[in-house]
Amino acid sequence: AQSVTQLGSHVSVSEGALVLLRCNYSSSVPPYLFWYVQYPNQGLQLLLKYTSAATLVKGINGFEAEFKKSETSFHLTKPSAHMSDAAEYFCAVRVTGGGNKLTFGTGTQLKVEL
Amino acid sequence: DGGITQSPKYLFRKEGQNVTLSCEQNLNHDAMYWYRQDPGQGLRLIYYSQIVNDFQKGDIAEGYSVSREKKESFPLTVTSAQKNPTAFYLCASSRGGGQAPSYNEQFFGPGTRLTVL
Repeated sequence: AQSVTQLGSHVSVSEGALVLLRCNYSSSVPPYLFWYVQYPNQGLQLLLKYTSAATLVKGINGFEAEFKKSETSFHLTKPSAHMSDAAEYFCAVRVTGGGNKLTFGTGTQLKVEL
Repeated sequence: DGGITQSPKYLFRKEGQNVTLSCEQNLNHDAMYWYRQDPGQGLRLIYYSQIVNDFQKGDIAEGYSVSREKKESFPLTVTSAQKNPTAFYLCASSRGGGQAPSYNEQFFGPGTRLTVL
């Protein structure tokens, strides 16, 4: 079965610093991977997705992620953090044979400090 | 303006009562999903429906029930059998099919926060 693990439930960065949120996956087949963002008391919004095309995926709000098969990773990065990036971020993997079903990681809360 | 609406935004329930959460979409999507979110646990799938009049249990279906009588609506009932119902509930929808290599993105509603008093 597919799964994802997010390392670090809380990450704190200074405004302007690099953002790095970690996600490792487990899958017996080539995975489809996703990053979602959630602002307080709101639903989830898709940031970016990897569906076996280019390994470096660019998303919205300046975020990008790189699929590394050798490391089974799909880490999310942004070169320069902004206060508006403070939110919870979820990594997810598509469930094989489950249509469009997803399995989510436990989330990483990003705090951006002045 | 297309999207997913969930109501109410906040819901309070007494122990032993059933309560129904509403989810409506006007995206003409075939598939709909219900998730439960608890702090530190991410999202867990309760039920999903790939087509009208059909639905399947997710990972944590015990104590919940759903119906899918209309394409645009997928209400979730939290029954008194659910031992710990206090949580944030999210509804999502996607176009149907989604057989690899194609994939249809899930779109999420704003959520309902349920508190049991």
